[in-house]
Amino acid sequence: AQSVTQPDIHITVSEGASLELRCNYSYGATPYLFWYVQSPGQGLQLLLKYFSGDTLVQGIKGFEAEFKRSQSSFNLRKPSVHWSDAAEYFCAVYRSNDYKLSFGAGTTVTVRA
Amino acid sequence: EAGVAQSPRYKIIEKRQSVAFWCNPISGHATLYWYQQILGQGPKLLIQFQNNGVVDDSQLPKDRFSAERLKGVDSTLKIQPAKLEDSAVYLCASSLISTGYQETQYFGPGTRLLVL
Repeated sequence: AQSVTQPDIHITVSEGASLELRCNYSYGATPYLFWYVQSPGQGLQLLLKYFSGDTLVQGIKGFEAEFKRSQSSFNLRKPSVHWSDAAEYFCAVYRSNDYKLSFGAGTTVTVRA
Repeated sequence: EAGVAQSPRYKIIEKRQSVAFWCNPISGHATLYWYQQILGQGPKLLIQFQNNGVVDDSQLPKDRFSAERLKGVDSTLKIQPAKLEDSAVYLCASSLISTGYQETQYFGPGTRLLVL
C-alpha cells in the first residue's frame, strides 16, 4: 500500500529562521508527491508537486521540496519563514492504482516572533 | 476564477440529528471529492464523483452517510443520524478529471461539524 508518514506532529520556528518538514513515503514505483498547506479555518492549498525530472521542486510562497528516492523522502523547506507561514502542512502521495490522494497526518508549524 | 464554495462553514448538532453540507465546485471541473478530516489527521476520501456518477464510495459509511451530485455540478453530503465520532471538518475538492495524476485537486474552506 502506498502511504505517507510525517514524523513531526508540531514544529516551532522563529520568524526569519529556516524550516524543514519531513515526509517519508512507501511506494514501489515512482511516486507522485504533493505538499499542501492549510491555514487556520481554510481549505488545503497546493504548495508544490513532484512527478518526475529535477528532484528539487520549487513551489509557491518561497517553498521548495527535494525528492530523494534512496531515502524515500520528500522534505519541504523554506529558507526564511514569515509569521504567515504558521499553518498545518500535509504531504500526500498519489495512488496510481486507484487515482487517489493519500495524505499524511500533517505537521503543525508555529512561528514565534 | 472562483474557487470551491462550501456551506455552511460551521455546524453544531446533537447526536442522532441529521445534517447536510453543500459544495459548489470550480466551474468546468468534472470530478468532485468529499473528504473527512478528523482533528489531528489528514483528509480521508469519503466519496468521489465523475460528473454525476459515483466513481468510488468505498470509504463512505453508507448506513448513515449519503451524497449526491445532481446535474454534475453541485453536491450535497448528508449524515443521518449523526454520531459523536462524526465531528470533523468536511472538505470538498474538485479537479478537471480524475484519472490523471497531474490533475490538481482544489479544496474548499471546509465545513466544521461538531456533534454533541
